Amino acid sequence: GQNIDQPTEMTATEGAIVQINCTYQTSGFNGLFWYQQHAGEAPTFLSYNVLDGLEEKGRFSSFLSRSKGYSYLLLKELQMKDSASYLCAVPRSSNTGKLIFGQGTTLQVKP
Amino acid sequence: DTGVSQDPRHKITKRGQNVTFRCDPISEHNRLYWYRQTLGQGPEFLTYFQNEAQLEKSRLLSDRFSAERPKGSFSTLEIQRTEQGDSAMYLCASSSGTGHFMNTEAFFGQGTRLTVV
Repeated sequence: GQNIDQPTEMTATEGAIVQINCTYQTSGFNGLFWYQQHAGEAPTFLSYNVLDGLEEKGRFSSFLSRSKGYSYLLLKELQMKDSASYLCAVPRSSNTGKLIFGQGTTLQVKP
Repeated sequence: DTGVSQDPRHKITKRGQNVTFRCDPISEHNRLYWYRQTLGQGPEFLTYFQNEAQLEKSRLLSDRFSAERPKGSFSTLEIQRTEQGDSAMYLCASSSGTGHFMNTEAFFGQGTRLTVV
């Protein structure tokens, strides 16, 4: 089976750095996705990690440790528009692309 | 192509009525997924199509739910005899699965919010 855990809520200050953690247990590993979802909107793709290490994309970076079953999303220079839910997801298999999502971490950025 | 589109965006229905939602995926995508999302939770997988073939259905999908993708393009999700517990956001996603995993990034529609009263 598969299980994904992430914190329910986080609060951070505009301009700061925040790290959103995700731990997972899978019967096979086919990579890990991070999606951003603003309230009432579609989830949008942020990152995909399949190898260990840090992938940087502008203000957002994602880290993966396959041996620890652990990932984090790092958001730098926080902006008010970063207030959203951040979803960690793992594919159920490499064939179908079906995703198993965590419950999401709601990030509130305060001035 | 403007992405995955879903219709309607909102639906309010009385308990016991049938409802049908439509999803138009990105045109070149062969894979289509339906997910359900309730407040404060991540999306939960419901069903998956590759072209017109429905290849997987979640145990969450009771007999009252049926999905089709008749020509391998748009898809419909029908819920019969709706119950209050069906109230949720129904999300559609598509991807271009070619066997290499990076190509299976899923693009989501904005969802249909169903309220059963």
